[in-house]
Amino acid sequence: QQQVKQSPQSLIVQKGGISIINCAYENTAFDYFPWYQQFPGKGPALLIAIRPDVSEKKEGRFTISFNKSAKQFSLHIMDSQPGDSATYFCAASRESPGNQFYFGTGTSLTVIP
Amino acid sequence: DTEVTQTPKHLVMGMTNKKSLKCEQHMGHRAMYWYKQKAKKPPELMFVYSYEKLSINESVPSRFSPECPNSSLLNLHLHALQPEDSALYLCASSQRQSTNEKLFFGSGTQLSVL
Repeated sequence: QQQVKQSPQSLIVQKGGISIINCAYENTAFDYFPWYQQFPGKGPALLIAIRPDVSEKKEGRFTISFNKSAKQFSLHIMDSQPGDSATYFCAASRESPGNQFYFGTGTSLTVIP
Repeated sequence: DTEVTQTPKHLVMGMTNKKSLKCEQHMGHRAMYWYKQKAKKPPELMFVYSYEKLSINESVPSRFSPECPNSSLLNLHLHALQPEDSALYLCASSQRQSTNEKLFFGSGTQLSVL
């Protein structure tokens, strides 16, 4: 059972445009929602994360919007650049003995010049 | 130093071989992890070590054997693997084994089992 659903599977955006990736979850016990960026041949790297007590978090061109009632969160990449082309994974986790992240299925983003 | 270093970067092995993957971090992190990632799929947790003790084994087959010799090193011993075990094996570390701790991933070992 997929704990975190992510869409779209792939996304093509023009340089300078806005990239939007959406995730949804069911388990209301989740209390930490990170986004990871992965380039080919590299491990994932934490991009930005949010906790459910805030509705939005912004770091540079990257913004997470969080809707607790809808159990949805999204990543917005403003002024998308070719260097942003990568696979993006959303994740969710809950307080537990293990650092068990439930990853979304991933979105392959291509930013074309 | 904010790196997790994994060796080797690539590994090809036969089904009867024994090999080991190595992972090292010098950030003073006390939690270390092994993940398996198939192409175009998210990482899947295999093992978690906390303070050099195995705390989570996600029902991984015994042909994968983890070892944490000290707080900086993590090994994954491989024996009698199957072709379906071919994947990118990622090591990660965090300050502690807590859900809101940042995970630092290595670049992974691309494993091919023939």
